[in-house]
Amino acid sequence: AQSVTQLGSHVSVSEGALVLLRCNYSSSVPPYLFWYVQYPNQGLQLLLKYTSAATLVKGINGFEAEFKKSETSFHLTKPSAHMSDAAEYFCAVSVPPMNYGGSQGNLIFGKGTKLSVKP
Amino acid sequence: GAGVSQTPSNKVTEKGKYVELRCDPISGHTALYWYRQSLGQGPEFLIYFQGTGAADDSGLPNDRFFAVRPEGSVSTLKIQRTERGDSAVYLCASSPQGQSTQYFGPGTRLTVL
Repeated sequence: AQSVTQLGSHVSVSEGALVLLRCNYSSSVPPYLFWYVQYPNQGLQLLLKYTSAATLVKGINGFEAEFKKSETSFHLTKPSAHMSDAAEYFCAVSVPPMNYGGSQGNLIFGKGTKLSVKP
Repeated sequence: GAGVSQTPSNKVTEKGKYVELRCDPISGHTALYWYRQSLGQGPEFLIYFQGTGAADDSGLPNDRFFAVRPEGSVSTLKIQRTERGDSAVYLCASSPQGQSTQYFGPGTRLTVL
């Protein structure tokens, strides 16, 4: 079975500081990994995804994540936080269903990390 | 283009009542997913459709929950005999054939009194 653990339900950084949101996964097969962001009263928006190509993945809004198989991690980083980055961030893993093929398995999410950015 | 839409945005009902939640996926997307997000938690998978058929319904919590997608586009999540524990935000997502990215709608907030 697959699972995701996000360390830290709340992370607070100062504007301009490094953002590091941690995600560890468990999967019996090579996973696909995702980071989604959820702004208040809005739907989930994809930040970036790893699908077995380059291990360093760049996403929108200056975020990036590195897939480390040996550590079963997919931590999200941004060099310099902006006030507009304040939101909740979810890491997710998927494994494609065998019977339909393709890359369309359901997502298994972590509990989320709420990022606060102080001026 | 238009994203995933969900109606209603909010639904308040009484314990024991029946509710239907609707999802309009992005046009042409073959895969459709339902998730449930309780307060302070990440979304939890409920059911996944590939076209008209349910490819995986292992996340439905019990037989009070049922979903359909009769024409391979719009989907309806149906909850019978609602309970207070069903209160949550119900999210719908869709994706194109053969792609892993899921595009989420804004959700329906269900409150069972």
